[in-house]
Amino acid sequence: DAGITQSPRHKVTETGTPVTLRCHQTENHRYMYWYRQDPGHGLRLIHYSYGVKDTDKGEVSDGYSVSRSKTEDFLLTLESATSSQTSVYFCATTQTGGETEAFFGQGTRLTVV
Amino acid sequence: GENVEQHPSTLSVQEGDSAVIKCTYSDSASNYFPWYKQELGKRPQLIIDIRSNVGEKKDQRIAVTLNKTAKHFSLHITETQPEDSAVYFCAATGNQFYFGTGTSLTVIP
Repeated sequence: DAGITQSPRHKVTETGTPVTLRCHQTENHRYMYWYRQDPGHGLRLIHYSYGVKDTDKGEVSDGYSVSRSKTEDFLLTLESATSSQTSVYFCATTQTGGETEAFFGQGTRLTVV
Repeated sequence: GENVEQHPSTLSVQEGDSAVIKCTYSDSASNYFPWYKQELGKRPQLIIDIRSNVGEKKDQRIAVTLNKTAKHFSLHITETQPEDSAVYFCAATGNQFYFGTGTSLTVIP
């Protein structure tokens, strides 16, 4: 497997609290993505990054922010967690954007109670 | 943006039979079409991909076909085995990946 690790792997948090998920890669890939996976919806893009400090919104970005201060790390923050953000979150990386294989992290299961 | 539709959402086949999953896309600029397999509790992993300048690609029991004019592509799995049971996602990509909603394939021994 490609060197992409997510932390934490599981988290339970209360409504209204901020939460940060971390994605770390050792592949030196330029592009990094955050997806959420929900039954019936597949993988939906939250935010992505095309370089250090270069980020853009995906289709479900409301309530989420991201930061990328180093090539290897991409952080996803839920500013004030809501129950609708209970999901499995996947980080992915590619070397050349949408033209080559995307490699996924193991996923983070987040439960907001 | 791109819109990818995937059918069926669930598929059950007998071991040894073939399975076909179909996807359509909307953006004619999409030029890369990967398929991912996700086993229960695991991460999605690429199983096969095809680019817009190719009509068909095979890898052992797996094949993918692409019809750019009609904007659809399909995954074909022959001689299915129980270990093929998983969720399969198609994607169409330009600058980013747009995924279908997934097909849960069950291979019955």
